Amino acid sequence: DTGVSQNPRHKITKRGQNVTFRCDPISEHNRLYWYRQTLGQGPEFLTYFQNEAQLEKSRLLSDRFSAERPKGSFSTLEIQRTEQGDSAMYLCASSLWQGGLFFGSGTQLSVL
Amino acid sequence: GQQLNQSPQSMFIQEGEDVSMNCTSSSIFNTWLWYKQDPGEGPVLLIALYKAGELTSNGRLTAQFGITRKDSFLNISASIPSDVGIYFCAGHTNYGGSQGNLIFGKGTKLSVKP
Repeated sequence: DTGVSQNPRHKITKRGQNVTFRCDPISEHNRLYWYRQTLGQGPEFLTYFQNEAQLEKSRLLSDRFSAERPKGSFSTLEIQRTEQGDSAMYLCASSLWQGGLFFGSGTQLSVL
Repeated sequence: GQQLNQSPQSMFIQEGEDVSMNCTSSSIFNTWLWYKQDPGEGPVLLIALYKAGELTSNGRLTAQFGITRKDSFLNISASIPSDVGIYFCAGHTNYGGSQGNLIFGKGTKLSVKP
């Protein structure tokens, strides 16, 4: 499968715990994006990388959130001290420059 | 902030009917994209539009990039049951110097007529 891959698909955690999600983009894509989606809403932009450089961050990305793409390939999104309001689907996408974004299946986070 | 107004919010389809939905914005967009999302999955790219006035088809789907660059529509002809799902419009804008922010509408939910 050569699409965008996200792990895990589902994550249940207790409030206050840290969680980390991984995204493997389409191999030839140089841009990688993280989005968050809650029920009944469209995806909301969190951050994006061009190669290994994090070029843009949304105001939605609080201090508890950090994203990395150390070698310009896979990326991780970490949420520290999770809160119930962090419960959402976290979507990763990749693209070639400013073209169409191709999304993974997402990681569904539930914070209890 | 930038917003995309997508309509209708929901609609019911009967097999064989044509379906139309649209997206408008008060700002100019550089690209328009249409996605379909099934429950528990990520959005799947259907059509990408890069030039004002561009009309593009993908099977039974046709989408157009409005000439003013502030709107786009998606038509589905001869709908079939698997067309059910949520359709999102999305666009790129350079508003505020943003280069990467793809903005999404709130979606149009297609359901089967009872």
